[in-house]
Amino acid sequence: DAKTTQPPSMDCAEGRAANLPCNHSTISGNEYVYWYRQIHSQGPQYIIHGLKNNETNEMASLIITEDRKSSTLILPHATLRDTAVYYCIVRVWVGDSNYQLIWGAGTKLIIKP
Amino acid sequence: SQTIHQWPATLVQPVGSPLSLECTVEGTSNPNLYWYRQAAGRGLQLLFYSVGIGQISSEVPQNLSASRPQDRQFILSSKKLLLSDSGFYLCAWSVDPYRAGYTFGSGTRLTVV
Repeated sequence: DAKTTQPPSMDCAEGRAANLPCNHSTISGNEYVYWYRQIHSQGPQYIIHGLKNNETNEMASLIITEDRKSSTLILPHATLRDTAVYYCIVRVWVGDSNYQLIWGAGTKLIIKP
Repeated sequence: SQTIHQWPATLVQPVGSPLSLECTVEGTSNPNLYWYRQAAGRGLQLLFYSVGIGQISSEVPQNLSASRPQDRQFILSSKKLLLSDSGFYLCAWSVDPYRAGYTFGSGTRLTVV
């Protein structure tokens, strides 16, 4: 079962910041939040991940609430190439030095010119 | 640099026929390897993962099997395909579970007719 809830779709104007919300109210203390995106018929692409603190890299920023029950992925200046399905994922420990990513249905983000 | 190869990109197979999808990783040793399936408009479902040669863990009972004959080779198989086996199959790898993310192949779109 998915541990995350996301809106099914969102629009954003080109050049503006895209803010994608995610709820993960049942997340455990040692479970990370990951974000991936998938352009149609391609393999998912890693964006960013975090545990408690806000994170930033060259692609995006991840804002995690203090209670860790929700997070927001921010694409600071969206371009048309950012149109994709964005997945908010919880990584859970399954033993044997291994983790699993629990995927939800994602948010289809459409960037409009 | 590390790369992951997955083939073929598309495949149309009749019901009852066998299946063999291959995934190979280059530029790393002893990776964790994964097979995922994605139904249309849905998130990814983990099918199998492997932490080493000959070690296979199955997540979902089904008509499929996996094998890892070499360190960087992961194979997904079926003896007799069902219509319900249609989907987008993705191979992924990771090395250090504490590092960022998993790297996905480009996927195989399987249609069983």
